[in-house]
Amino acid sequence: EVQLVESGGGLVQPGGSLRVSCAASGFTLSGYWMHWVRQAPGKGLVWVSRISSGGSSTTYADSVKGRFTVSRDNDKNTLYLQMNSLRAEDTAVYYCLRGGPYSNSCPDYWGQGTLVTVSS
Amino acid sequence: QSALTQPPSASGSPGQSVTISCTGSSSDVGGYDYVSWYQQHPGEAPKLMIYDVTKRPSGVPDRFSGAKSGNTASLTVSGLQAEDEADYYCSSYAGSSWVFGGGTKLTVL
Repeated sequence: EVQLVESGGGLVQPGGSLRVSCAASGFTLSGYWMHWVRQAPGKGLVWVSRISSGGSSTTYADSVKGRFTVSRDNDKNTLYLQMNSLRAEDTAVYYCLRGGPYSNSCPDYWGQGTLVTVSS
Repeated sequence: QSALTQPPSASGSPGQSVTISCTGSSSDVGGYDYVSWYQQHPGEAPKLMIYDVTKRPSGVPDRFSGAKSGNTASLTVSGLQAEDEADYYCSSYAGSSWVFGGGTKLTVL
């Protein structure tokens, strides 16, 4: 059974940093592109970032480019999102998603999400 | 990276059919056959319902179907059931990124 479990969310002050993680199981992480998507309270889904199966290629939404960094450790079956210079508008539930073997594969499985709150 | 356009709400009675539209551009929906639809119940993570415009993952009822014409994709839910009441989001590959629609709240009357 495919499982994605996010962790590391919490309360952080504006300008601060936080790293969220996503532990993958039930499939071979190294064979899949992975994504991060966020959802602000009461709002819609917004794509944040993606990373290739081997980790060599990354892409970001304009709203987080230069502040967020996605990475992965396939040996540890874990995906990461390092978030720096956090702003109030980054407050959201962050979901990790399994992509596919190709960059254009539609994401299928979602984790349960981890809440990041940016507030003083 | 502009969001795809969905109607904020849709509704139908049990047993009826309802169609939700998702309008993008030639840079996303119109340019690729990689449109997906997700269902989200309150307090839950989204669930994939349709991928690659028309394909249904295993376990998704065949009451759910997808289509695309030009820059607009659509999700049709036939034979509406109470459990279909949820938020629905479309998503499309956009070349080097992905983009979501703003979401449609489907109400079963």
